[in-house]
Amino acid sequence: SYELTQPPSVSLSPGQTARITCSGDKLGQRYAAWYQQKPGQAPVLVIHQDTKRPSGIPERFSGSSSGNTATLTISGTQAMDEADYFCQAWDSSSVVFGGGTKLTVL
Amino acid sequence: QVLLVQSGPELKKPGASVTVSCKASGYTFTRHHMHWVRQAPGQGLEWMGIMNPSDGGTLYAQKFQGRVALTRDTSTGTGYMELYRLRSEDTAIYYCARVNNQAFDIWGQGTMVTVSS
Repeated sequence: SYELTQPPSVSLSPGQTARITCSGDKLGQRYAAWYQQKPGQAPVLVIHQDTKRPSGIPERFSGSSSGNTATLTISGTQAMDEADYFCQAWDSSSVVFGGGTKLTVL
Repeated sequence: QVLLVQSGPELKKPGASVTVSCKASGYTFTRHHMHWVRQAPGQGLEWMGIMNPSDGGTLYAQKFQGRVALTRDTSTGTGYMELYRLRSEDTAIYYCARVNNQAFDIWGQGTMVTVSS
């Protein structure tokens, strides 16, 4: 079965750039999406189709994908960005999620 | 406003079944597939299956085949997830989500299902 791998945690200071990776076999040939989840809340879509940002999502969120890796980049990270982030891709008609990355803004 | 509103928390005994509902509003129910995803306490997201509201067609994750049923009522714009033969490991928050542009753009608020004797 298809698997997506994320680092368990990323820590940085406010204002720095966060890069969260998601690795899977030939992931660059599939569309990846990214979700932000804060404690006690449902996930929120922040990036779809590798690079597209839904309306209402701040411009500091961006996505890229190439080869086996998709990357979520948060430029000028703010305290409010502290959350869990999950990548997601399609495997035929089914769905696969990465294990999630906890972003800590120190 | 596009919304998915789910039913309230459930407490069930091992071996029982549970049904969670997900009512759509603000969009045409039959135009977007509905998925179900669960999240055990402190864990990640786990995909359960997909339901096509237009024709009722379904596809389930292998792990849940034979133990889950996804259905819908097009007259009310509501999707349902029924999980059978519950065990303690099924304790989780269950989410419905709408697919748009190959991603889950709208999520329900989640329904906590607790399985305990």
